[in-house]
Amino acid sequence: ILNVEQSPQSLHVQEGDSTNFTCSFPSSNFYALHWYRWETAKSPEALFVMTLNGDEKKKGRISATLNTKEGYSYLYIKGSQPEDSATYLCAPMNNNAGNMLTFGGGTRLMVKP
Amino acid sequence: DTGVSQDPRHKITKRGQNVTFRCDPISEHNRLYWYRQTLGQGPEFLTYFQNEAQLEKSRLLSDRFSAERPKGSFSTLEIQRTEQGDSAMYLCASSYTSSGNTIYFGEGSWLTVV
Repeated sequence: ILNVEQSPQSLHVQEGDSTNFTCSFPSSNFYALHWYRWETAKSPEALFVMTLNGDEKKKGRISATLNTKEGYSYLYIKGSQPEDSATYLCAPMNNNAGNMLTFGGGTRLMVKP
Repeated sequence: DTGVSQDPRHKITKRGQNVTFRCDPISEHNRLYWYRQTLGQGPEFLTYFQNEAQLEKSRLLSDRFSAERPKGSFSTLEIQRTEQGDSAMYLCASSYTSSGNTIYFGEGSWLTVV
């Protein structure tokens, strides 16, 4: 089982603020990193799958970077909106852990209008 | 495509009863996963199928839990002799072949054991 840490656990921001969160994971035998957004009463929504060191992916106002050598990924949200309120989960996969995602505890984001 | 669907969405059961959850993955997806999520935690891996073969099983999955995917399409997760500690959301997910591909989740089945 991989040790995956996300910080902060929760975050309150004002509408329009930009924010970022961190996902830390073991760098050895890295295979891929998945980011999900999970809104209450909905299914987790896949945001990004990242595989290469230095990868940067973007989807609208959300972007993510990946450092596989030091074992971390950042998720950025530019100009937060109330509809961005959700729990953001990261889940690395490594070559020793088979085909399972190992999730961090998530960062719960609340954006106040 | 309607996505991954799970049934029932909510189940309240008395301690000691058996419950079964069903998952219909996205068609053509050959991989199917079950996860469990409790409040304040990220989802925890339970088990994984490639087609009809159950390839991995977490130590979290006690012998009261059994999962099947008999024809390589839908899957069932049965919990026998439920305990209050089994109360959680049970999430199903599916993907196609490559581990680097996106894994799509259903909305989950909430279990409350009273």
